[in-house]
Amino acid sequence: GAVVSQHPSWVICKSGTSVKIECRSLDFQATTMFWYRQFPKQSLMLMATSNEGSKATYEQGVEKDKFLINHASLTLSTLTVTSAHPEDSSFYICSARWSGGPSTDTQYFGPGTRLTVL
Amino acid sequence: KQEVTQIPAALSVPEGENLVLNCSFTDSAIYNLQWFRQDPGKGLTSLLLIQSSQREQTSGRLNASLDKSSGRSTLYIAASQPGDSATYLCAVMGNQFYFGTGTSLTVIP
Repeated sequence: GAVVSQHPSWVICKSGTSVKIECRSLDFQATTMFWYRQFPKQSLMLMATSNEGSKATYEQGVEKDKFLINHASLTLSTLTVTSAHPEDSSFYICSARWSGGPSTDTQYFGPGTRLTVL
Repeated sequence: KQEVTQIPAALSVPEGENLVLNCSFTDSAIYNLQWFRQDPGKGLTSLLLIQSSQREQTSGRLNASLDKSSGRSTLYIAASQPGDSATYLCAVMGNQFYFGTGTSLTVIP
């Protein structure tokens, strides 16, 4: 099956620093990638939809200047948490949408990145 | 806006029991529905994908059904094992994925 990777798998940073998380589709091209956030004991919440070559679409309540998304190629999207604060500590998961092949129009999920802001 | 609900929120069963997890959604205009498993602190593992035109999918001890008109899906786990303990999420895909609230399953040895 299709594989999506995320890097890093976990990161600890000081408050006020910026953190970049990469999401890669390893064996298919994804025109659309999604970024989710999951707080402890809660379900995933969509943060933004990232389309290759265009600006990301952010969900209500998600600050686009704080969570910068760049979908530079058909296999790579990055999420940068700028000036991170402890309340940004969470589990960030990306997914890539595959619109071709036998399983049409489905999403493949990365393994997630755990961010801890001290 | 699509809302996805899972019942129960938590479930504890003895090993060997068959069990059913429920998922309901408010908007039947979906492309597909997926069931995921999430272990603590880990990413999602896709278990079963049901396209909107399908009624059910099976994989090993798992069987998922979909009744799009009534906005319901069930995940049936046969002969549960302690290794099945995890959180199970259902998600429906329209223009985006909408996730359910999850069911935390504990299988007691």
